[in-house]
Amino acid sequence: QKEVEQDPGPLSVPEGAIVSLNCTYSNSAFQYFMWYRQYSRKGPELLMYTYSSGNKEDGRFTAQVDKSSKYISLFIRDSQPSDSATYLCAMERSNDYKLSFGAGTTVTVRA
Amino acid sequence: DAMVIQNPRYQVTQFGKPVTLSCSQTLNHNVMYWYQQKSSQAPKLLFHYYDKDFNNEADTPDNFQSRRPNTSFCFLDIRSPGLGDAAMYLCATSRGNTETQYFGPGTRLLVL
Repeated sequence: QKEVEQDPGPLSVPEGAIVSLNCTYSNSAFQYFMWYRQYSRKGPELLMYTYSSGNKEDGRFTAQVDKSSKYISLFIRDSQPSDSATYLCAMERSNDYKLSFGAGTTVTVRA
Repeated sequence: DAMVIQNPRYQVTQFGKPVTLSCSQTLNHNVMYWYQQKSSQAPKLLFHYYDKDFNNEADTPDNFQSRRPNTSFCFLDIRSPGLGDAAMYLCATSRGNTETQYFGPGTRLLVL
């Protein structure tokens, strides 16, 4: 069983829709949670970084963490064609340098 | 702008011909990482440096080596590339433990 499982997608949504992305994890030692966006043939860029259960908002993006259920989500409101990318969840243990990534979900927002 | 720079962006090599990929950073971060990412897969950590301390992942093939001559630069050497080594190679940096990792644009390696 992989440490981090991500809904595989792909997802195709119309412009303006809400995009919901999800990851589950098995190791309760994960304390830090991230979402990266990766455009085609580019490196990942950090979107959201959280370390506590609950919601964190940044513009159209909301990251949700539920440590009791070992579940994290990313919501994109009012999605735009420029949001079309692969989204990777990532997690880190305390006192560890390593990120454990999900395999990514590819999102296409249709104009 | 402070950033992570990777050169070249695209590299074509022949089967068995050594190749070196380069990463530099202007962030003055202590930690530098090398990841391998194959199509539709998660990035896979190969190794990382905390300052000059080298940390190799247990499942990283011996074919992959790394050098970090100073804080700013880190190199990935693939001694004898095989067809299975064709991938995107990502360099990342962070200030330290549990700090955010910042990724470069990647080098796409093609092995003929």
